[in-house]
Amino acid sequence: DAGVTQSPTHLIKTRGQQVTLRCSPISGHKSVSWYQQVLGQGPQFIFQYYEKEERGRGNFPDRFSARQFPNYSSELNVNALLLGDSALYLCASSAGLSYGYTFGSGTRLTVV
Amino acid sequence: SQQGEEDPQALSIQEGENATMNCSYKTSINNLQWYRQNSGRGLVHLILIRSNEREKHSGRLRVTLDTSKKSSSLLITASRAADTASYFCATVESGGSNYKLTFGKGTLLTVNP
Repeated sequence: DAGVTQSPTHLIKTRGQQVTLRCSPISGHKSVSWYQQVLGQGPQFIFQYYEKEERGRGNFPDRFSARQFPNYSSELNVNALLLGDSALYLCASSAGLSYGYTFGSGTRLTVV
Repeated sequence: SQQGEEDPQALSIQEGENATMNCSYKTSINNLQWYRQNSGRGLVHLILIRSNEREKHSGRLRVTLDTSKKSSSLLITASRAADTASYFCATVESGGSNYKLTFGKGTLLTVNP
């Protein structure tokens, strides 16, 4: 079975640009979450979607947005990129509250 | 914001030794989970312990949970060089409408051959 897949794996963008990151959850998982991990820190929660509805939003500015599609895949968009947005962006899916999350390998975003 | 702290921040041991990592958190939880991360890539789920459980085992892993002290520990027995990684605890708060994970800063474990 395929795990959580994320694309692209690496990305370099210039300040002020916009970026879209993509995630496909494990088949049958209806919940997708996004996390940002800066070097030396634990992941920080950005968004959670369940059945195409936003279920939670972390403490991130409105430049960050996301959506979930009918096939449960998801996109994370970040507008007006700042140097501080450079991080590993992780997507995770879960079968439910009593289960752990399966994480993708992440997208490493570098803003120059 | 981070939920809590792992302790120690870094741990270096020899193969065959046991490794113990601790985690403290701040709020009431539904469950606590431990993850492993190799070289800054994706996290691997190790074990989940519910708030009404006190101890759980999975292979060489043993997790304890003390909700009165808001703390948990992860024990890896008979460590191997392949166990070298960062280990994170993450909590799911109770009563929320979602089940986001709130992570600590992690413990970097180095197992020397």
